[in-house]
Amino acid sequence: DTEVTQTPKHLVMGMTNKKSLKCEQHMGHRAMYWYKQKAKKPPELMFVYSYEKLSINESVPSRFSPECPNSSLLNLHLHALQPEDSALYLCASSLQTGRSEKLFFGSGTQLSVL
Amino acid sequence: ELKVEQNPLFLSMQEGKNYTIYCNYSTTSDRLYWYRQDPGKSLESLFVLLSNGAVKQEGRLMASLDTKARLSTLHITAAVHDLSATYFCASKEGAGGTSYGKLTFGQGTILTVHP
Repeated sequence: DTEVTQTPKHLVMGMTNKKSLKCEQHMGHRAMYWYKQKAKKPPELMFVYSYEKLSINESVPSRFSPECPNSSLLNLHLHALQPEDSALYLCASSLQTGRSEKLFFGSGTQLSVL
Repeated sequence: ELKVEQNPLFLSMQEGKNYTIYCNYSTTSDRLYWYRQDPGKSLESLFVLLSNGAVKQEGRLMASLDTKARLSTLHITAAVHDLSATYFCASKEGAGGTSYGKLTFGQGTILTVHP
């Protein structure tokens, strides 16, 4: 299994809603990532988890809350989002966080905030 | 802070022609990655270049890395329509940098191949 699975694929939410994005991998990878990608822009790193511990938070607003319940799962909890948060949210994993490690990306969740 | 720049940002090619996408990065790095992204889809890893002089080829695509010039190239040979996509290069900081898995992407090159 060489896949990173993200659910849901599409999400529409209001600014007062609470929702969660889910990401799962069964490749034995110990590093997992959340990236945000606006249309026609490159992905931007949000969070990195290494061995289930948060190792990088790229100054992301607190309305985004990551969680790594175990080595295979990564969640992104969303609360009180703004319309400008609408984007494609990509999860990725790699064996570890080392410089040589290739990232495997999931298919993403297309989020629209109304 | 590592910066990665690609050019061109838009590339319109005829089928059968050759072209090169360039990727420059700003700080010492010996790790360079190329990804492909189709519209509305995720990123597909194409190449991982891990040392100076590394060259990798897959089908009509060939990537190379020159760490002294801080330059990577993605060469397209005899383009076909199926290669139409956005291509990103990405790098991680090199010796002395705090890498921790932070991949910095170039702006992307939107490639369109016409009949």
